[in-house]
Amino acid sequence: KAGVTQTPRYLIKTRGQQVTLSCSPISGHRSVSWYQQTPGQGLQFLFEYFSETQRNKGNFPGRFSGRQFSNSRSEMNVSTLELGDSALYLCASSGGTLEQYFGPGTRLTVT
Amino acid sequence: AQSVTQPDIHITVSEGASLELRCNYSYGATPYLFWYVQSPGQGLQLLLKYFSGDTLVQGIKGFEAEFKRSQSSFNLRKPSVHWSDAAEYFCAVGARGRDDKIIFGKGTRLHILP
Repeated sequence: KAGVTQTPRYLIKTRGQQVTLSCSPISGHRSVSWYQQTPGQGLQFLFEYFSETQRNKGNFPGRFSGRQFSNSRSEMNVSTLELGDSALYLCASSGGTLEQYFGPGTRLTVT
Repeated sequence: AQSVTQPDIHITVSEGASLELRCNYSYGATPYLFWYVQSPGQGLQLLLKYFSGDTLVQGIKGFEAEFKRSQSSFNLRKPSVHWSDAAEYFCAVGARGRDDKIIFGKGTRLHILP
């Protein structure tokens, strides 16, 4: 079975721009979660989608949004980028248990 | 509410020495417990999990963990570490319900001395 894939792997954006990250879960997995990881704050939960509905949400501003498609693929969008949004963004999929399988991440740098 | 504490931010051990990484959790019922490992610049990989049954669980790469309900702990152990074990380790606790939730600890970075 193919693992979780995330695209792109690296991204450089300028303050004020917006960005969209993509995540393809393991085949058959209906839950997709997104995390932000920074050296200072560690691993922080952004949100989780299950069957195209947001099921859980972390404590992030409304500039961070996401969606899930009928094939379970998910996208995460960040609008009006700030320097502090520079981070490794991780996506994880889950298939009916609490075990999460992570992708390699997207490294976002905001300049 | 669920919470996970990893008391050690950094741990350094010599290659070949034994390892124990601590994890304490707070949860009202029997939790689902996990350990993940992250190599630099990579995603997290599941090492092992505890759902129920035998409180000593074996994982990949020679790791094991023991669930101790009385101490609310789920410590990760390895009898002899290898240089390739240098990474960051995350403990996580999960709860089944209307909206399944999993919470991660802040991680312990493991350094290996040659």
